Amino acid sequence: EAQVTQNPRYLITVTGKKLTVTCSQNMNHEYMSWYRQDPGLGLRQIYYSMNVEVTDKGDVPEGYKVSRKEKRNFPLILESPSPNQTSLYFCASSSLGTTDTQYFGPGTRLTVL
Amino acid sequence: DAKTTQPNSMESNEEEPVHLPCNHSTISGTDYIHWYRQLPSQGPEYVIHGLTSNVNNRMASLAIAEDRKSSTLILHRATLRDAAVYYCILRKAGGYSGGGADGLTFGKGTHLIIQP
Repeated sequence: EAQVTQNPRYLITVTGKKLTVTCSQNMNHEYMSWYRQDPGLGLRQIYYSMNVEVTDKGDVPEGYKVSRKEKRNFPLILESPSPNQTSLYFCASSSLGTTDTQYFGPGTRLTVL
Repeated sequence: DAKTTQPNSMESNEEEPVHLPCNHSTISGTDYIHWYRQLPSQGPEYVIHGLTSNVNNRMASLAIAEDRKSSTLILHRATLRDAAVYYCILRKAGGYSGGGADGLTFGKGTHLIIQP
């Protein structure tokens, strides 16, 4: 089954404690992306990657890092999380066709105390 | 990017058709119209997309105005499982030009409520 998986699904942590949210897709997609969703602000893109070793900033990249060492994986790294990064995070992937649709993961709900 | 305008919420009865409108008066000739939806506690999922002609798939139909300044997502027979937030999104042909974020720009969408 074609899917995007994220782990963990829920995470409560404290300010400053480094964490990684993993994202993996099994569709051989070139493009992967991270979004955050906040009430009243909708979904906003954090980082994206067009292919292995190619990443770029989205609309709200501050406080986040990503890496793309393998095509299937695109982890989101918070080196020093702060409470304003409490949010619902979604990973997405797609191929690079003209109108290819994006497939989203189930989401990771992060709380930073 | 061209913007879209959708009603904040709509309500319909189960097993009746639902017409979800979207205005995009500044759409350009190369913009595709995409619809995604987000069910409660889930990630967004693709519904349908089109350029100029009306489109049908197993989930829905998309009716596009002749001047392309508006479109309507049609759920032919809504069920309780169709209760979700529906997003109308414009996306340029050529998709991933690499010149920008190329992500999907989600607005507030329409919260569809289905009454049993």
